Amino acid sequence: GIQVEQSPPDLILQEGANSTLRCNFSDSVNNLQWFHQNPWGQLINLFYIPSGTKQNGRLSATTVATERYSLLYISSSQTTDSGVYFCAVERGGKLIFGQGTELSVKP
Amino acid sequence: DGGITQSPKYLFRKEGQNVTLSCEQNLNHDAMYWYRQDPGQGLRLIYYSQIVNDFQKGDIAEGYSVSREKKESFPLTVTSAQKNPTAFYLCASRTRARNTEAFFGQGTRLTVV
Repeated sequence: GIQVEQSPPDLILQEGANSTLRCNFSDSVNNLQWFHQNPWGQLINLFYIPSGTKQNGRLSATTVATERYSLLYISSSQTTDSGVYFCAVERGGKLIFGQGTELSVKP
Repeated sequence: DGGITQSPKYLFRKEGQNVTLSCEQNLNHDAMYWYRQDPGQGLRLIYYSQIVNDFQKGDIAEGYSVSREKKESFPLTVTSAQKNPTAFYLCASRTRARNTEAFFGQGTRLTVV
């Protein structure tokens, strides 16, 4: 089956710093989403981005489907950005997750 | 409000008992999913259903069962055959149309003692 790999697995930032999270996938996909899991476990939708670039405030995402990767950019990070970021791809009706990047933003 | 509701939020059971987790959605979504998450790990697919009265096994279906009798409901039963049932369980839904995003419920934390 399709493999989804996220990097880095862990990231520690000082408040105000910028970061880039990466998601690689091993085969063509129909859809790609980025989620943020908050401390209570809920998954918050960040971006639905099968291709192209989108921006939402301090966050932006780019997916290059032909090269099978997606990037999530976080600028001017805040402590509330802490948590786990997941990418998920959809293929054949299945939604498959990467292992996540755990982000910790220090004040 | 439209959304996905999982209940209960916390569930405790004795070893050897079956337990059913509820997932209901009023978004008129066709597809529904169940995932398991262990501490510090990603989400693993248990079962998914794309239409009523049809469902498929995911990557870790052993010890679990589901039903899809209604479009809005996709309950998950954790059976006594599941060796390590203590985990965080998440339900999701989306439409079957291409180019649509999935949404998640708030999850159920199951503890088996």
